Amino acid sequence: GQQLNQSPQSMFIQEGEDVSMNCTSSSIFNTWLWYKQDPGEGPVLLIALYKAGELTSNGRLTAQFGITRKDSFLNISASIPSDVGIYFCAGQRMWEYGNKLVFGAGTILRVKS
Amino acid sequence: DVKVTQSSRYLVKRTGEKVFLECVQDMDHENMFWYRQDPGLGLRLIYFSYDVKMKEKGDIPEGYSVSREKKERFSLILESASTNQTSMYLCASSWGGWADLGNQPQHFGDGTRLSIL
Repeated sequence: GQQLNQSPQSMFIQEGEDVSMNCTSSSIFNTWLWYKQDPGEGPVLLIALYKAGELTSNGRLTAQFGITRKDSFLNISASIPSDVGIYFCAGQRMWEYGNKLVFGAGTILRVKS
Repeated sequence: DVKVTQSSRYLVKRTGEKVFLECVQDMDHENMFWYRQDPGLGLRLIYFSYDVKMKEKGDIPEGYSVSREKKERFSLILESASTNQTSMYLCASSWGGWADLGNQPQHFGDGTRLSIL
């Protein structure tokens, strides 16, 4: 089945550092989404990407939809303690049986204050 | 802002019980989804609906059913709960009908942590 390879699996960073994570797939997607999930909460949408090559920012977050439509990255600049959490990428496309939203395994972000 | 509300944050039920999980969204979204999230397995789609009274199976529909009688409400039903259905259940919604299923971002509720004893 379709899989997304999300890396790194986890990371410790110093407060103020920049963070980068990415997702790759063997399949093409129409939409790439990035979510953040805090413990005990549901995923919250951070950024949605709709076109190949698109670069979108949301505050300190920047994400890009790869040209091949098979990958995406998320950057967080100047990390702060509240950035702690799990970040998921998700690729979405239609197939003959309906919607397919495939999630990466997540990147656990821990910040050293 | 999109608001997806799940009726319970925590629920404890017994094996064999019929369990109802409710989800309501306030953004007039056509599409609604039910997932379960388990450590090491990620989010897996159980069922989705692209219109009132329409439902489609996801990747793991066995042991579950759904109901969409009103546009804003999507219910997940565990017909006879079993211990392997202990999990975090997440509801999501997105704009547009069938044609937009693959394009519009999904917005999630806070989840229901269900324990089956």
